[in-house]
Amino acid sequence: GEDVEQSLFLSVREGDSSVINCTYTDSSSTYLYWYKQEPGAGLQLLTYIFSNMDMKQDQRLTVLLNKKDKHLSLRIADTQTGDSAIYFCAERDNAGNMLTFGGGTRLMVKP
Amino acid sequence: NAGVTQTPKFQVLKTGQSMTLQCAQDMNHNSMYWYRQDPGMGLRLIYYSASEGTTDKGEVPNGYNVSRLNKREFSLRLESAAPSQTSVYFCASSEAYGGTEAFFGQGTRLTVV
Repeated sequence: GEDVEQSLFLSVREGDSSVINCTYTDSSSTYLYWYKQEPGAGLQLLTYIFSNMDMKQDQRLTVLLNKKDKHLSLRIADTQTGDSAIYFCAERDNAGNMLTFGGGTRLMVKP
Repeated sequence: NAGVTQTPKFQVLKTGQSMTLQCAQDMNHNSMYWYRQDPGMGLRLIYYSASEGTTDKGEVPNGYNVSRLNKREFSLRLESAAPSQTSVYFCASSEAYGGTEAFFGQGTRLTVV
């Protein structure tokens, strides 16, 4: 089955850029997503990218997709303490049956 | 805007007890989903309902049943709770099956002792 992998933890200083990486195995993925989960809350969609795109920018967020290597990244510019959360990448297969999530990366932003 | 509402937020059950987790959405979405979240494992799909009147198994359906009561509501039932079902449960909805965006509820933290 599909597999989505992320590193567990990332720590950065306030004002630095954060880069959260994700790899996936399903080459037929149609959409790839980044979700943010703050403590005690549900998941909030941050951004998504269609599989025929290489890059998508949305304010402080930049998503890069390397389809050949099945690698997705989320760059957060000028990281703030409010960005501290768990970030999940997810992919939707070609049939659109379901989202497969990675295990989540906990981002800690130090003042 | 309420979005996706789950009840209860917290629950403790004894092994063998039953309970139903409720979920309602007010966005007129066709598709609804139940996920469980376990540490380091992301979210795994338990059941989904592509449209009113249909339900299908996801990745981890064993030990659960669901009911799509109407377009708004999708409930998850544990008939005989087991400690392995200790988890955080999330309901989600999307406009269409396979839609680009799924909206999530706040979660139900369930502990089975």
